[in-house]
Amino acid sequence: KQEVTQIPAALSVPEGENLVLNCSFTDSAIYNLQWFRQDPGKGLTSLLLIQSSQREQTSGRLNASLDKSSGRSTLYIAASQPGDSATYLCAVRSNQGGKLIFGQGTELSVKP
Amino acid sequence: DGGITQSPKYLFRKEGQNVTLSCEQNLNHDAMYWYRQDPGQGLRLIYYSQIVNDFQKGDIAEGYSVSREKKESFPLTVTSAQKNPTAFYLCASSMGTYSNQPQHFGDGTRLSIL
Repeated sequence: KQEVTQIPAALSVPEGENLVLNCSFTDSAIYNLQWFRQDPGKGLTSLLLIQSSQREQTSGRLNASLDKSSGRSTLYIAASQPGDSATYLCAVRSNQGGKLIFGQGTELSVKP
Repeated sequence: DGGITQSPKYLFRKEGQNVTLSCEQNLNHDAMYWYRQDPGQGLRLIYYSQIVNDFQKGDIAEGYSVSREKKESFPLTVTSAQKNPTAFYLCASSMGTYSNQPQHFGDGTRLSIL
């Protein structure tokens, strides 16, 4: 059974710092992996989607990498800003049934 | 603007009552999903539908029911059999179950017990 883990559960950094959020999964037979952002009391906003054949995706200050063989993905945020404060969730889409399996999220706080 | 609309934003349920959460999308997506989010936990899949008039149970379907009579609509009913319904409920849609397009989410409905 696929399990997705995100470490750390919470992270507080000063503004301007570069940071890395981690996501690990137990079954490497994935279709794709997505990173989402969730603001308090809101739905999820898709940030990046990496297909199983890709190694990384970039959007602005965000870069996500995927290493299927080791069951890991990282989300790199460059030059963090207070507006980046939110919960970040990763989710893998399984090859079996195509469902998304979510991690528990990392709550990020960027201090001015 | 294309998107997913969930209503109501807040909902209160009395003991023994069934309540229905609305989800409408105008993205022309075939697949729709319902998730439950509890504090400190990730999202868990309740039900999903790949096409009209078809749906499958997710990981925590007990105490819930759905229908998919129209492509745009996927309402979720929380029945009295669901003994711990207090949670944040999120609806999502995508082009297809195996799509490499991202899932889009609504803004959620927060359900509480009176």
